[in-house]
Parts: sequence; C-alpha cells; structure tokens
Amino acid sequence: AQKITQTQPGMFVQEKEAVTLDCTYDTSDQSYGLFWYKQPSSGEMIFLIYQGSYDEQNATEGRYSLNFQKARKSANLVISASQLGDSAMYFCAMRGYRGGSYIPTFGRGTSLIVHP
Amino acid sequence: GAGVSQSPSNKVTEKGKDVELRCDPISGHTALYWYRQSLGQGLEFLIYFQGNSAPDKSGLPSDRFSAERTGGSVSTLTIQRTQQEDSAVYLCASSPAGGTEYTFGSGTRLTVV
Repeated sequence: AQKITQTQPGMFVQEKEAVTLDCTYDTSDQSYGLFWYKQPSSGEMIFLIYQGSYDEQNATEGRYSLNFQKARKSANLVISASQLGDSAMYFCAMRGYRGGSYIPTFGRGTSLIVHP
Repeated sequence: GAGVSQSPSNKVTEKGKDVELRCDPISGHTALYWYRQSLGQGLEFLIYFQGNSAPDKSGLPSDRFSAERTGGSVSTLTIQRTQQEDSAVYLCASSPAGGTEYTFGSGTRLTVV
C-alpha cells in the first residue's frame, strides 16, 4: 500500500520569498510517480509538477521545482518567488500500481498563505 | 470536451434520499477516478474505471455507494439512502491509459440535511 505524508498543516511565506512544502512517501513499488497539485479556494485541482521514480533530474515547471530524494523517500515542492496568488492548499500525490492500474494516492495537504 | 465536466456543481438533499453524481471525462481518456474530499481534508479514493470496468471497488465507503461507466465515457456515482456523513465534495478525474497527468473536474458539493 502507498502512503503520502504531509506534516505541515499550514505554512506562511512573505511575497517574493521561496517556500518548501514537505512530502514523504512510502511504497514497495519500484516504479512510481509523484505529483503536486494546487487547490485554490475555488476548489479546482490544478496539476503543478510530476516526477517519475526513475527520472534522474529533479522536475521543474516555471517557479515550481520538485526536490526528489529517493533514498529518503521525499518529494518536496519548492516554490520560488512566491506570489499572492500562490495562496492555496497544496497536495502531494503518488501514482502507484493497484488492481491493474495506476492510482494516485493523496496526502492531507498543506495550506500555504502568502503575505504581502 | 476540453475538460472534465461534473454535474451538478452543488446538490442539497434530504437524509435518506438517493443522489446521482455525473462525470464526463476528457474525450479519449480511458481511465476515470472518483474521490471524496471532506471539509478541510485530503482526497479519499473511492473507485476507478479502466474503460467500463471497475476492477477495484474496495475504496467505496459502504454498500450504499455504487458507480458505473458506460461507453467508456460518462460515469455516474450513486449514493443511496444518503447520510449526513456523506456531505463532501466529490471529485472526478480522468487520464489517458498509463498517463502521468490526471485532470480533475470542478467537483460536486453534496450537502445532506
């Protein structure tokens, strides 16, 4: 079974600063994928970034980067130059093989508030 | 369509009534997933479909919950004899087979009074 742990229920950051959101995972799969999603107050789930377990380079998408440390089973999200619009819930997820397909399992989320 | 469409966006129902929630995935996406998000919580996996088949129903919280998918497209999640603890946002997502990106709908907010 897969498990995703996000230990920070809430985080605060000053506008234009960088922030790291923590995510650790547990799986016995050799092949898996890790995601981050953003959920603003509107409720939609917005895909941010993906990292495959065999990818050697850390994934980056604009201001988002995923700090993947396979041996530590961590997949932290780094947001550089925070903006007010980054205030939202952030969910870490892992794509693991279950019952014949790849199913994302989500963490409990981290609420990020960006101060002006 | 361009995205995943869910209807209704909001549903208020009386305890004990049945409700049907609908998900229309992105055209061509063979995999479809249902999640439940209670207030302030993460996403709880309910069920997924590969084509019209649901190989794993173990995530459904009780036998009051059922789901089907027809024509490899639209899916319906049915909750019978609704209870107050069923109040939540029900999210649907779809992906291509073996995909690495899951596109979510805007969800159905269910309130049982």
